[in-house]
Amino acid sequence: DTGVSQNPRHKITKRGQNVTFRCDPISEHNRLYWYRQTLGQGPEFLTYFQNEAQLEKSRLLSDRFSAERPKGSFSTLEIQRTEQGDSAMYLCASSLGGGVAEAFFGQGTRLTVV
Amino acid sequence: KNQVEQSPQSLIILEGKNCTLQCNYTVSPFSNLRWYKQDTGRGPVSLTIMTFSENTKSNGRYTATLDADTKQSSLHITASQLSDSASYICVVSASTSGTYKYIFGTGTRLKVLA
Repeated sequence: DTGVSQNPRHKITKRGQNVTFRCDPISEHNRLYWYRQTLGQGPEFLTYFQNEAQLEKSRLLSDRFSAERPKGSFSTLEIQRTEQGDSAMYLCASSLGGGVAEAFFGQGTRLTVV
Repeated sequence: KNQVEQSPQSLIILEGKNCTLQCNYTVSPFSNLRWYKQDTGRGPVSLTIMTFSENTKSNGRYTATLDADTKQSSLHITASQLSDSASYICVVSASTSGTYKYIFGTGTRLKVLA
């Protein structure tokens, strides 16, 4: 499978714990995006990278959230001191450039904070 | 404020029938508009991408239209099938100095009944 891969698919964690998600984009895709989606809502933009540079962060990305893409390939999204409000589906997408370049989404990581 | 609104919120139709989903947007500067299909618990999958100059684009039984003057788009599904049951999300891309931002609608949840 050469699509966007996200791991884990599901994560249940206790409030206050830290979690880390991984996204492997389609190889050669220079842009990588993270989105958060709650039930019944469309995805909300969190951040995006062009190669290894993080070019934009949403105000939704509080100090507890950090994303990295150290070598311009895979990316990680870490949430520290998780809160129940962090429960959501976290989606990763990648594209080759911007504009009309198609963005391909991964299957997402569903986080449940108990 | 950049916004994408979709209607109806949800729709139930019988198999074989046609339906039309609506998307209104206030996004500037406009780059392109996409329709995605999202099955429950999965990432969105692209159906169509249209730029400012395109009025209509088809992908099998899916036909999208775009009126850039009124800032409206529609997605028409012909001869619906059970597998069309999903959320359909309208996404408008804004471009500023080479930076692309995707604004998602909240989606229309379509249920096709046998």
